[in-house]
Amino acid sequence: NAGVTQTPKFRVLKTGQSMTLLCAQDMNHEYMYWYRQDPGMGLRLIHYSVGEGTTAKGEVPDGYNVSRLKKQNFLLGLESAAPSQTSVYFCASSPIPTGNQGGELFFGEGSRLTVL
Amino acid sequence: DQQVKQNSPSLSVQEGRISILNCDYTNSMFDYFLWYKKYPAEGPTFLISISSIKDKNEDGRFTVFLNKSAKHLSLHIVPSQPGDSAVYFCAATDDGKSGGSNYKLTFGKGTLLTVNP
Repeated sequence: NAGVTQTPKFRVLKTGQSMTLLCAQDMNHEYMYWYRQDPGMGLRLIHYSVGEGTTAKGEVPDGYNVSRLKKQNFLLGLESAAPSQTSVYFCASSPIPTGNQGGELFFGEGSRLTVL
Repeated sequence: DQQVKQNSPSLSVQEGRISILNCDYTNSMFDYFLWYKKYPAEGPTFLISISSIKDKNEDGRFTVFLNKSAKHLSLHIVPSQPGDSAVYFCAATDDGKSGGSNYKLTFGKGTLLTVNP
C-alpha cells in the first residue's frame, strides 16, 4: 500500500537552480496539497488542487509553481531556488474537502530540500 | 497573524499518566478541528477530529474536547504510552457550509510530547 509517495526524498540545490518535486497518490483522491514545514512554523499550505487540471494558491505560494496534469500526480516546481526555500516539503491528498468528516489528509513522508 | 496557536512547544509526562495538549484558535469561521501526530522523518498522520456541533469526541485512548466560546480545544491521551512520543499538530478549517473555503487546513506550530517509561 503505497499511499502518497514523494520523490526525491532529499535534494541539495544551489541558489538559482530549478527543480521539481513529484507527488504521486494511488488512492484515487480528488484533492491534493503541498505544504512546507519550517522549524517553529508548523505546516503552511503552498498550493493545492481540487481535481485534475486545477490548481490554486495557498498561504505561501510565492516562488513555487504547480501542475496537476494527471489525477494521481501533483508536481511542485521551484523555478529559481532561494535559500529561504530550504525546508521540508510534504505532499498530501484527501478524498473529499478537508472540512468534512472523512476528508482527513494523507501525507507523504516528506522531501528535505536545502538551497545553498 | 497565527490563527491556530499551540503555546506549549513541548510536554513531558510519565507513562500511564494523562497527557493534555492544548490549542487555541482566533478565526471564528473555523468549525472543524483535527489533530495530527508526527514521528521524526515521517509525514503527519491523522489522529482524531471534532466538528463544532460537538464538544467531545473520543477514540480509544484519545479524546478531543472543544470549547467554542473560549475558542479552545484540547487533546487528552489516557493512559500515555512511550509510543505516543511525537509532535502533535492541531489543525482547523471551515466546513464550507457558510460559504467559506473548506479546502485548506490551518496548522498550529506543534507540541512535542515525550512520554517517559
